[in-house]
Amino acid sequence: EDQVTQSPEALRLQEGESSSLNCSYTVSGLRGLFWYRQDPGKGPEFLFTLYSAGEEKEKERLKATLTKKESFLHITAPKPEDSATYLCAVRRGTSGSARQLTFGSGTQLTVLP
Amino acid sequence: DAGVIQSPRHEVTEMGQEVTLRCKPISGHDYLFWYRQTMMRGLELLIYFNNNVPIDDSGMPEDRFSAKMPNASFSTLKIQPSEPRDSAVYFCASSKGQADTEAFFGQGTRLTVV
Repeated sequence: EDQVTQSPEALRLQEGESSSLNCSYTVSGLRGLFWYRQDPGKGPEFLFTLYSAGEEKEKERLKATLTKKESFLHITAPKPEDSATYLCAVRRGTSGSARQLTFGSGTQLTVLP
Repeated sequence: DAGVIQSPRHEVTEMGQEVTLRCKPISGHDYLFWYRQTMMRGLELLIYFNNNVPIDDSGMPEDRFSAKMPNASFSTLKIQPSEPRDSAVYFCASSKGQADTEAFFGQGTRLTVV
């Protein structure tokens, strides 16, 4: 059974204080690790997909990295508008239900001005 | 494109009533997913379709839940009869083509069953 564990559950940062969010996963044949951002009252918004260990992707103040067991979302010099819940999800590479995403419980990030 | 469109945004109903949630996927997307989000269980996949055909409904909690996709631009999730424990936010998402592509989510329907 696929498992995705995110830590910490909640994180409070001062504006400009860089940090990292962790996503540990167990999946049969990873076919993509996805990061989403979710604002209150809205649906998850896609950020990144990572496919293989060693891969990195960046978008503004965010950088996602991937190893064989975990992914990190690094936030550099965050701003209050980065406050949101960040969700990690995996897709397995086997046949059958290969399209579904298994989500972690998320990290709720608050950036204080 | 307007993205994935869900309706209604909010639904309050009494226990035992039938509830129908609606979704219009992004045009050209051939996969459609229904998810449920609660504080206790997070985001859970209920069912997904490929080219309007249900592929995996193993996440549907019980027979009170049913989903249809009569055409490429419309899907419904129905709960009959509804129960208080069905209260959650229901999301529809769609994706296109290859297995590796990301899914795009709608704004969700917040369902409250009293």
